[in-house]
Amino acid sequence: ELKVEQNPLFLSMQEGKNYTIYCNYSTTSDRLYWYRQDPGKSLESLFVLLSNGAVKQEGRLMASLDTKARLSTLHITAAVHDLSATYFCATSRGPGTYKYIFGTGTRLKVLA
Amino acid sequence: KAGVTQTPRYLIKTRGQQVTLSCSPISGHRSVSWYQQTPGQGLQFLFEYFSETQRNKGNFPGRFSGRQFSNSRSEMNVSTLELGDSALYLCASSFLGGYQETQYFGPGTRLLVL
Repeated sequence: ELKVEQNPLFLSMQEGKNYTIYCNYSTTSDRLYWYRQDPGKSLESLFVLLSNGAVKQEGRLMASLDTKARLSTLHITAAVHDLSATYFCATSRGPGTYKYIFGTGTRLKVLA
Repeated sequence: KAGVTQTPRYLIKTRGQQVTLSCSPISGHRSVSWYQQTPGQGLQFLFEYFSETQRNKGNFPGRFSGRQFSNSRSEMNVSTLELGDSALYLCASSFLGGYQETQYFGPGTRLLVL
């Protein structure tokens, strides 16, 4: 059974600091997705990672994928308050399938 | 371009009733997926439709069903509601449903079962 684990579950950090969220998954997969969810809102797609070694960056967020280690990371650089949200990773197996398995989410709070 | 829309946004039902939720994908998108989000179970995949056919299904009881119309709009139905069905139901659309594509999520329907 495919499982996805994120850590930490909660993260409180000061503005200007760097931190990394980790996403481990249990079986072979070559695709990994990161989403952001603001309180009471829907999900917003951040990154789609489709191969081993893939790295994508958008603003203060950078995501990477290591399929051999079954690990993806979401690195936050010089955090700002606007990044406060819950971040989910997800993966799936098989072509053309959206049978995504989501991680538990990491609730990030950036303190001024 | 209009985003994914879901109706209704909020719904209160009682146990035993049934409910139908609607999702209109982004124009041109043919794949629609449904997810259930609860504090206890997190985000769980319900099913995916493409060109009016169910292509993938999650591990939910048969009380949960869905369909897709020729215009790609989708509905999901939950019969014989239980308290545990209280959740945020999200739908997401993409052009072809390929794994390399970005999914676009709607605002969700928040269902409360009393």
